[in-house]
Parts: sequence; structure tokens; C-alpha cells
Amino acid sequence: EDQVTQSPEALRLQEGESSSLNCSYTVSGLRGLFWYRQDPGKGPEFLFTLYSAGEEKEKERLKATLTKKESFLHITAPKPEDSATYLCAVQAPGYQKVTFGTGTKLQVIP
Amino acid sequence: DGGITQSPKYLFRKEGQNVTLSCEQNLNHDAMYWYRQDPGQGLRLIYYSQIVNDFQKGDIAEGYSVSREKKESFPLTVTSAQKNPTAFYLCASSLEGASLKGSTEAFFGQGTRLTVV
Repeated sequence: EDQVTQSPEALRLQEGESSSLNCSYTVSGLRGLFWYRQDPGKGPEFLFTLYSAGEEKEKERLKATLTKKESFLHITAPKPEDSATYLCAVQAPGYQKVTFGTGTKLQVIP
Repeated sequence: DGGITQSPKYLFRKEGQNVTLSCEQNLNHDAMYWYRQDPGQGLRLIYYSQIVNDFQKGDIAEGYSVSREKKESFPLTVTSAQKNPTAFYLCASSLEGASLKGSTEAFFGQGTRLTVV
């Protein structure tokens, strides 16, 4: 059974204080690993797809990396508007089903 | 603007009633999904459809039903058999089916919050 574990559950940062969110996964092969951002009361917003170990993708202050067992979402010099819950999900080959983690709730304080 | 539209945003259901949640997309995506989100839990898959007139049960399909008569539409009915329907429901769509190589991200609607009163 595919599993996704995200840590920490919650993270509080001062504005400008860089950090990383972790996503550990177990899947029979990996078709894709996804990162989403979710604001309260809204649907998840797509950020990145990673396909193979060693791959990295960046968007503004966010950078996602992937190894064979985990993915990191690095946040550089965060701003209050980066406050949200960040979700990680994996998809196994041959399946349409995507398994989500429970998310990391990030709060960035001015 | 292309996107996924869910309606209504808030829905209240009395005990024993069936209710239907709407999901429409104009992204020309083949696959559509329904997820349920509860506090402290990851998104759980209710049903998904890879093509018109075909759909498969997800992990928590009991008490729910769907139809896929048009590519653009994938309504979800929460029946009276669903014992704990209060939750945040999310509809999503993606471009490719599972038979194709590679992966494709899903795009989500803004959700419907269902409350049993």
C-alpha cells in the first residue's frame, strides 16, 4: 500500500527564516510526486511534479527536490503570504490513484 | 478562463436526504476525481473516472454515487447511506489516463463544504 508521511505537522517561521518541509513516501515504483499548496477553505493549488530521484524544480521562493525515499520543499526567505498548508502526494505506475499526505501547516510571522 | 467549478460552496443536508454536488471543468481533461477532506487526514479518494460513461470506486466509495455522462461534468451524490457525510469535498481533473507513460498533475476546484443538520 502506498504511504505518504509529511513532517513537521506544523511549522512557524519568522519572515525571512528559511526552512524545509519533508515528505517521506513508500510506493511501488514512482510515476510522479506532487506538491500542492492549500489555503484555508480553498482547493489545493498545484506547485510541482517530480518524476525521478535527483530532480529539482523551483518557483519563486520554493524549491522541491526528490530522492528515492523522500522529497523536500525548501522555502527560502519566506513571506507571510507563503502561509498555507503544503500537501505532498505520490502516484504509482499504471494507476490513476494518487495518495496524499496529511500536510504541513506553515505559518510565516512578519 | 479554464478551470474547475464546484457548486454550491456550502451545502446543508438533513438526515436521510440525498444531495448532489456539482463539478464542471472546461480544461478538456479526460480524468476526473472526487476527494473527501477531513481535519487531520489526507485527501481520500471517493470515485474517479478516466473516460465518459466509465468510473471506478476509490478508497471510500460506500454511501456515494457518481455519473459521467459528459466529459465536462462529474456530479457526486451523497446518499443517506453515508453515515458521516459532514466534510469538505474536492473535485479534480487531470489530462491523461493511467495507461499513458509519465504522470500528470490534477487541478482542483474550490470545494464544497457539506454539513449535516
